[in-house]
Amino acid sequence: DQQVKQNSPSLSVQEGRISILNCDYTNSMFDYFLWYKKYPAEGPTFLISISSIKDKNEDGRFTVFLNKSAKHLSLHIVPSQPGDSAVYFCAARYGSSNTGKLIFGQGTTLQVKP
Amino acid sequence: DAMVIQNPRYQVTQFGKPVTLSCSQTLNHNVMYWYQQKSSQAPKLLFHYYDKDFNNEADTPDNFQSRRPNTSFCFLDIRSPGLGDAAMYLCATSGEAGGLTTDTQYFGPGTRLTVL
Repeated sequence: DQQVKQNSPSLSVQEGRISILNCDYTNSMFDYFLWYKKYPAEGPTFLISISSIKDKNEDGRFTVFLNKSAKHLSLHIVPSQPGDSAVYFCAARYGSSNTGKLIFGQGTTLQVKP
Repeated sequence: DAMVIQNPRYQVTQFGKPVTLSCSQTLNHNVMYWYQQKSSQAPKLLFHYYDKDFNNEADTPDNFQSRRPNTSFCFLDIRSPGLGDAAMYLCATSGEAGGLTTDTQYFGPGTRLTVL
């Protein structure tokens, strides 16, 4: 039973346009959500996060939106750059801060074309 | 720079031959995690240490063990690797450091395990 789902395995956008990556979850006990970016042969790198008490968090070109009623979050990248091409994982945390465990989605491969 | 380091980056072992993967961190975090990631799948948590307290996931096979001799180091031991254990193994850290709490897990580059 997959509690965190990224239904689009891949996404291709043109440089300068918006990239929207989506993630759905089933467990209402998740209290914190994170997006990670992964290049080939590297470990996931933290990108941006959002607490369940918020509905939006912005950091430069990256914005994460959380819709708790729909159990849905999305990552917006504006404008997209070729260097953003990578696999993006959403993750949901359960348990207390510090010892909380993450459940990951399967990832979405983003390709940004020049 | 403070970081999570995994050695080796690539490990080849034979079916049934024990193998140990290593993780070290300079972040002084008190929580360390081991994940298994198979191709095109989500990373899956195997176990984690909160300080010296070991926490195993219910579905982690007995074939997988871990040791944490001190804050900085954590090892993943696979006692009898099978072909199905070929995967990327990721180490991560989180927790308090210097009195500050971090909600984020920081990952190492991973070790790619091949079982022949």
